[in-house]
Amino acid sequence: NAGVMQNPRHLVRRRGQEARLRCSPMKGHSHVYWYRQLPEEGLKFMVYLQKENIIDESGMPKERFSAEFPKEGPSILRIQQVVRGDSAAYFCASSSQMGQRDTEAFFGQGTRLTVV
Amino acid sequence: KQEVTQIPAALSVPEGENLVLNCSFTDSAIYNLQWFRQDPGKGLTSLLLIQSSQREQTSGRLNASLDKSSGRSTLYIAASQPGDSATYLCAVRTGGGNKLTFGTGTQLKVEL
Repeated sequence: NAGVMQNPRHLVRRRGQEARLRCSPMKGHSHVYWYRQLPEEGLKFMVYLQKENIIDESGMPKERFSAEFPKEGPSILRIQQVVRGDSAAYFCASSSQMGQRDTEAFFGQGTRLTVV
Repeated sequence: KQEVTQIPAALSVPEGENLVLNCSFTDSAIYNLQWFRQDPGKGLTSLLLIQSSQREQTSGRLNASLDKSSGRSTLYIAASQPGDSATYLCAVRTGGGNKLTFGTGTQLKVEL
């Protein structure tokens, strides 16, 4: 059973380009979470998705950022018109159930985005 | 708003020493607490998960305790080894949806 898979592992974009980060949850998991780790800072929650639904996007920047988790395929975190401040490690986590107290989150290896 | 604090921010110990990492959180209404390990440039590895009804969890040389009422958790590492060098993160889950609030971590270095 493969873990949470994120790709690419490293991504370099010029200012103004678009960045697309992909996350395939663990097999059997239908809940995906995106977190961002800025340099010298802790991980911050961005968005929580179920298949075809955004459940909680309270941590998403208001502009340029969007996320989806289609019925088929991986979850995508999309950043339009990237700026240097978007440079960070973006982590995806998945879990099997929502609202269950014993649910454990499993994390991917992250995508390190560098904006030049 | 939940806030998680980890003390110390950095720690350097000689090999073989027992050590304790601290985590505190402001909202005691948590569902569970997880300790993670993060190696430089790598992802997060889950070490221990403690449910709100539990007092401690053990895995090998690691022991994590939870005092929910006082908003504290500790991670005890016995007989530390250089391979334990990493950043240790504490995260709490509050409410449904499994959203985690992370501390800023303790950077541990175990020296030969």
